[in-house]
Amino acid sequence: AQSVSQHNHHVILSEAASLELGCNYSYGGTVNLFWYVQYPGQHLQLLLKYFSGDPLVKGIKGFEAEFIKSKFSFNLRKPSVQWSDTAEYFCAVYPSGTYKYIFGTGTRLKVLA
Amino acid sequence: GAGVSQSPSNKVTEKGKDVELRCDPISGHTALYWYRQSLGQGLEFLIYFQGNSAPDKSGLPSDRFSAERTGGSVSTLTIQRTQQEDSAVYLCASSSSGTGRSSYNSPLHFGNGTRLTVT
Repeated sequence: AQSVSQHNHHVILSEAASLELGCNYSYGGTVNLFWYVQYPGQHLQLLLKYFSGDPLVKGIKGFEAEFIKSKFSFNLRKPSVQWSDTAEYFCAVYPSGTYKYIFGTGTRLKVLA
Repeated sequence: GAGVSQSPSNKVTEKGKDVELRCDPISGHTALYWYRQSLGQGLEFLIYFQGNSAPDKSGLPSDRFSAERTGGSVSTLTIQRTQQEDSAVYLCASSSSGTGRSSYNSPLHFGNGTRLTVT
């Protein structure tokens, strides 16, 4: 069955630290990949997406993610986090022809001021 | 409206009662999804609508769950004879997907969800 794994469930960082959140998926075909963010008290919002082309994609607020097809991974990175990045982050996969967005279990990030 | 609207925002119900959750998608969005978000479980896919039809109902947990969409717009998710394990946040999302690859360029837009508590 198709699935998405986010290995870090809770991450605590100090401001200015670098961030990398892991995301691995299980599907052998063509996929579209997404990272969504949910700030406290807000709805899920799109952070960035990958459809094709350059495997390094840049999103809002200085976030980027790299698609490594051979590793079935789409890790999220940010060089220097801010307190306002405190949120829950979800990786999602859209396997070709399925209509279904499959989400990981999420990673709760807390950034200490 | 400007975004996806869900109502009610909170619902507390007694075990065994029926509940109805409503979703108003973004105007013009043909695709509509229902997800369930439980603590530590991520987002669990429930059902997908394209227009008024539901080509994928595979995620509905049991026959107590049903959903419909009318006029290609509003959708309702109904849970009959609620159980405590139904307690969760129910999220609705819409996208302007069409057929084929055009759907790939349409990320999901989420509502704020309905927090359901079954006592």
